[in-house]
Amino acid sequence: ILNVEQSPQSLHVQEGDSTNFTCSFPSSNFYALHWYRWETAKSPEALFVMTLNGDEKKKGRISATLNTKEGYSYLYIKGSQPEDSATYLCAFPDTGRRALTFGSGTRLQVQP
Amino acid sequence: ETGVTQTPRHLVMGMTNKKSLKCEQHLGHNAMYWYKQSAKKPLELMFVYSLEERVENNSVPSRFSPECPNSSHLFLHLHTLQPEDSALYLCASSQDVGGATGELFFGEGSRLTVL
Repeated sequence: ILNVEQSPQSLHVQEGDSTNFTCSFPSSNFYALHWYRWETAKSPEALFVMTLNGDEKKKGRISATLNTKEGYSYLYIKGSQPEDSATYLCAFPDTGRRALTFGSGTRLQVQP
Repeated sequence: ETGVTQTPRHLVMGMTNKKSLKCEQHLGHNAMYWYKQSAKKPLELMFVYSLEERVENNSVPSRFSPECPNSSHLFLHLHTLQPEDSALYLCASSQDVGGATGELFFGEGSRLTVL
């Protein structure tokens, strides 16, 4: 059974603050690490799919880093805006590589 | 329409009813998935189909019965459900099975309430 852990569970920040959260995953048999953003009443949307150790990806104010040797990824949001409020999920292909195993997510609320 | 579409968006059913959830993807993907989101739990994989063949059944009770008639459509047939089956059911698709090479595209989910 894969263990994908995310921290913190929830985060409240003020508009303009920068923030980051963590995803921990098994470091053996690494294939890929996914980040998704899930806004309330919408569908989860992929932010990044990361495959290489040391990978850094960026989309606007959101960026992510990957350390496959120690089994963690960080997601950073620079200058948070209220529209960044969502649950951020990370996911890891399961042992059989048939589907993704998801973490519990970090719920971010950005106060105007 | 584009993307992944799920119907109905909301469903209320009694324990003796039979109903179905429908998922349709217009992305030309080869893999489709059913996930379940219960309150305060992570997304839980239920079924995986690759090229219309079921490749994963994640120990799901037989009261949930999936069907994949073609690579664009996926159904989840529901019968004699229990109140604890109330949850959000999400459908997803990807180009190839597993997520090792590409992202998943999700529908908006079907919110199921079992009375």
